[in-house]
Amino acid sequence: AQSVTQPDIHITVSEGASLELRCNYSYGATPYLFWYVQSPGQGLQLLLKYFSGDTLVQGIKGFEAEFKRSQSSFNLRKPSVHWSDAAEYFCAAKSNAGNNRKLIWGLGTSLAVNP
Amino acid sequence: ETGVTQSPTHLIKTRGQQVTLRCSSQSGHNTVSWYQQALGQGPQFIFQYYREEENGRGNFPPRFSGLQFPNYSSELNVNALELDDSALYLCASLMDGNEQFFGPGTRLTVL
Repeated sequence: AQSVTQPDIHITVSEGASLELRCNYSYGATPYLFWYVQSPGQGLQLLLKYFSGDTLVQGIKGFEAEFKRSQSSFNLRKPSVHWSDAAEYFCAAKSNAGNNRKLIWGLGTSLAVNP
Repeated sequence: ETGVTQSPTHLIKTRGQQVTLRCSSQSGHNTVSWYQQALGQGPQFIFQYYREEENGRGNFPPRFSGLQFPNYSSELNVNALELDDSALYLCASLMDGNEQFFGPGTRLTVL
């Protein structure tokens, strides 16, 4: 079955430190991959996406993600975290076949940032 | 700001009641998806509408139903509300592509 796993439920980092949030997927073929951020009481904002091509993807707010086919992973990174990055982060995937537009979501990783 | 709006922002209902949630898609987007996000969980796909027809459904009972109108705005209807229906309901629109643009959501509380 198709699935997306975010192994870390909660992560705390200090402001200015680097960040890596993990995401693993299980699909028959390489899906389209997304990272979204959700601030408290807010909707979901797309940070970045991977469809094909260069495996290192740049997104908004200084985030990047690296697609690794051999590890079925799409980890999100940021070199220096800001206090405003505290939020819930979701990894999602969608089949690249046919008219299936359903997104499969991970359970999310809650990020706290210490001053 | 995605251009996707949802109403109402918050809603309180009691068990057994019916509720209608509304979504206005981003201009020109002909597809809308609805998701349920329970507290502390990731979004769960409810269904999707493409040009006024349902073209995908998640693992939700028939009391969850929807409509999409000619202007591509959409409604989510839930009948016979249960306590477990309390959640944030998100709609997302897209246009023949793979990126979904989300609205801010409607917070539904069932008492």
